[in-house]
Amino acid sequence: QSALTQPASVSGSPGQSITISCTGTSNDVGGYNYVSWYQQHPGKAPKLMIYDVSDRPSGVSNRFSGSKSGNTASLTISGLQAEDEADYYCSSYTSSSSNVFGTGTKVTVL
Amino acid sequence: EVQLVESGGGLVKPGGSLRLSCAASGFTFSSYSMNWVRQAPGKGLEWVSSISSSTSYIYYADSVKGRFTISRDNAKNSLYLQMNSLRAEDTAVYYCARGYSSQVWGQGTLVTVSS
Repeated sequence: QSALTQPASVSGSPGQSITISCTGTSNDVGGYNYVSWYQQHPGKAPKLMIYDVSDRPSGVSNRFSGSKSGNTASLTISGLQAEDEADYYCSSYTSSSSNVFGTGTKVTVL
Repeated sequence: EVQLVESGGGLVKPGGSLRLSCAASGFTFSSYSMNWVRQAPGKGLEWVSSISSSTSYIYYADSVKGRFTISRDNAKNSLYLQMNSLRAEDTAVYYCARGYSSQVWGQGTLVTVSS
């Protein structure tokens, strides 16, 4: 199972909106509404930000939103803040009953 | 407080074995599927294995199939990963995570495979 494709880096100024893409195939992202997004700060464990494509866990800011179109899922961060600077990973359930993560995106707040 | 605490990591020689544990607290462990996810130094996340709440369903990444065994003891609120025939490329921080979308993560335990 190949990793899902994410851009290596995305940057934005405080207050702006950015979008991170996550491209897979019809055997993972495109075939199931089980896409999740995780935020990871250096030296810390990942934190779930979005699950089931667009649902937010309790306690996660509504500045984070998720969507999907075909084989590509997206995470949008609105009103970018300094604390949003981190690595972000997508993940999807697959047709072989496994899970696959994305390649990861480093978000920089300018 | 919902918590997962991994243990059992360390330095092991290539070809050796190690057993990781994950102690769960603050929730009904037997109601959730559980996962192991690893992260090699400076690299991205890699799903390793998943086990259903009742152990009926178990899945492995191709990279560890035949070498790693996931198990759980619901009476002890614990998840395990038996790792055999370890290779240098298995060097990573190993995280346990709760649920099909990995809602809760432990702090991780470092496994280093080196001679």
